[in-house]
Amino acid sequence: KAGVTQTPRYLIKTRGQQVTLSCSPISGHRSVSWYQQTPGQGLQFLFEYFSETQRNKGNFPGRFSGRQFSNSRSEMNVSTLELGDSALYLCASSLNTYSTGELFFGEGSRLTVL
Amino acid sequence: DQQVKQNSPSLSVQEGRISILNCDYTNSMFDYFLWYKKYPAEGPTFLISISSIKDKNEDGRFTVFLNKSAKHLSLHIVPSQPGDSAVYFCAASTSSGGSNYKLTFGKGTLLTVNP
Repeated sequence: KAGVTQTPRYLIKTRGQQVTLSCSPISGHRSVSWYQQTPGQGLQFLFEYFSETQRNKGNFPGRFSGRQFSNSRSEMNVSTLELGDSALYLCASSLNTYSTGELFFGEGSRLTVL
Repeated sequence: DQQVKQNSPSLSVQEGRISILNCDYTNSMFDYFLWYKKYPAEGPTFLISISSIKDKNEDGRFTVFLNKSAKHLSLHIVPSQPGDSAVYFCAASTSSGGSNYKLTFGKGTLLTVNP
């Protein structure tokens, strides 16, 4: 069973640009979450999608957005990039159960903003 | 406001000994707790979890203890192996309102197991 796949793995952007990251969940998983990992803040929740609807959102500015497609694949977008957006962006998928919070993570997309 | 805290950024133990990683939380609404392990250049992988209705959960060499009154949980690894060297994240979620897909993570503890 293939795991969570994230593309691209590495990318470099400059301030003011925008970036789109892609995530393909494990087959059969309908929930996709995004997390930002930075050395100072650890892993922080960005948002979660289920059936193309955003169900949960973290405390990030509106420059961070996402969407989910009918095949459960998800994209997140960051507009007007700032230096502080440099981070590892992790996507995670899960089955739609309310009994656990177990998530399966991809390897991440490392974004560097210059 | 950090709701999940891992106060030890790093821990070093000898192979074969016990590793104890600690985690504290402040949100009393948390009712499910998880530990994830992360190697460099990889995403976190689920290790073990515990529901708030239990005080202990065991899986092989890994045991998680939960003390709800102290809002404290710990992960015990016995015996520790060099392959256990990784960053360990404590995470918590709440099932109320169906928001259990939102995990709140601690900042992690780097465990180094020396041969």
